[in-house]
Amino acid sequence: DAEITQSPRHKITETGRQVTLACHQTWNHNNMFWYRQDLGHGLRLIHYSYGVQDTNKGEVSDGYSVSRSNTEDLPLTLESAASSQTSVYFCASSEQGTDTQYFGPGTRLTVL
Amino acid sequence: DAKTTQPNSMESNEEEPVHLPCNHSTISGTDYIHWYRQLPSQGPEYVIHGLTSNVNNRMASLAIAEDRKSSTLILHRATLRDAAVYYCILRDLFGGTSYGKLTFGQGTILTVHP
Repeated sequence: DAEITQSPRHKITETGRQVTLACHQTWNHNNMFWYRQDLGHGLRLIHYSYGVQDTNKGEVSDGYSVSRSNTEDLPLTLESAASSQTSVYFCASSEQGTDTQYFGPGTRLTVL
Repeated sequence: DAKTTQPNSMESNEEEPVHLPCNHSTISGTDYIHWYRQLPSQGPEYVIHGLTSNVNNRMASLAIAEDRKSSTLILHRATLRDAAVYYCILRDLFGGTSYGKLTFGQGTILTVHP
């Protein structure tokens, strides 16, 4: 069955370190998204991509970057982790032309 | 995207129907109404969506008011597994600059009692 996976599921890192969160989907979806979820803020969009080599900034993109070298993967990189980036991160994908998004299980990131 | 308003929380008993309301008084004619839910410690999952007519699927029903300024997600027989946060989201049919993106509000926390 097609699916969307995230790794790692839990990560603890230190302030200033570079961290990369992986997202892999096997639906062959063109659209991929990264969200973060914090108490009191709900889910907020970080970056998104409509296809290979395409990336766009979302609502809260400062301190994050993404790259799309193939259809299946959209890794999220925190260039220099900050305590404010402690959060749960969700990746999602959708078929081109639709709004139905399929979400991964999430990565809980703690920055000490 | 037009704004939606949902109650912060609702409670239900197992095996009973649940009606989750959503107000969207500024909805435009091309806005689809989407519902997602998020079970504890999981990512959101798609529930249902509609434009004008009522919709049914294996998970739920969506009842849309005639003027489209409100809608109701109906769970016909709540189970403990339906305890989740339910999000009502409007999406423009034609997308425009917000194509494909979902804007999540605070949602409604549904508690189901045994």
